[in-house]
Amino acid sequence: GESVGLHLPTLSVQEGDNSIINCAYSNSASDYFIWYKQESGKGPQFIIDIRSNMDKRQGQRVTVLLNKTVKHLSLQIAATQPGDSAVYFCASRAGGSYIPTFGRGTSLIVHP
Amino acid sequence: DVKVTQSSRYLVKRTGEKVFLECVQDMDHENMFWYRQDPGLGLRLIYFSYDVKMKEKGDIPEGYSVSREKKERFSLILESASTNQTSMYLCASRDPGQSYEQYFGPGTRLTVT
Repeated sequence: GESVGLHLPTLSVQEGDNSIINCAYSNSASDYFIWYKQESGKGPQFIIDIRSNMDKRQGQRVTVLLNKTVKHLSLQIAATQPGDSAVYFCASRAGGSYIPTFGRGTSLIVHP
Repeated sequence: DVKVTQSSRYLVKRTGEKVFLECVQDMDHENMFWYRQDPGLGLRLIYFSYDVKMKEKGDIPEGYSVSREKKERFSLILESASTNQTSMYLCASRDPGQSYEQYFGPGTRLTVT
């Protein structure tokens, strides 16, 4: 079955550095991916998504890269700020499925 | 903005009690979901509902039931609470016609003693 995992449970960075959060997925039929951010005491919030027909998508200070060959995606955050401290989840959908599969989350800690 | 609200932020119940967790969304979304979130395990799907009066089991439905009598409200029921149901419970909704993005509530932290 589908499994989605993140490579590191915790990532610590200095304010102003760029952050890279990685995610691997197992189902080659996955065709859509979402990154969510969950701040302390809140529910997850959508950050950015990407479809499998793309290999890169950019938002405001965030970029998602998708490598279908190795079934890997990453979230890059430019000029990381203390407000970026949160748990980040990737989620994937296998084609036609109603239900996304979530990874276990990476905790990003930004040091001032 | 879509708003998903959950009836309680914190709840403490005793073993064996019947527990109701309520979720309401205000954007007429068809799909609604209940997840539990535990450290190291991420989000696990308990139940979901495609539309009113429709429900489907997720990955971990044992010990839970749900009710969706109205489109905006999706209730999670713990028939007889047990200590291993101590967790953070997250509700989400989605409009499948618009996007695949789910909108989450703030969560209910349930402690069963």
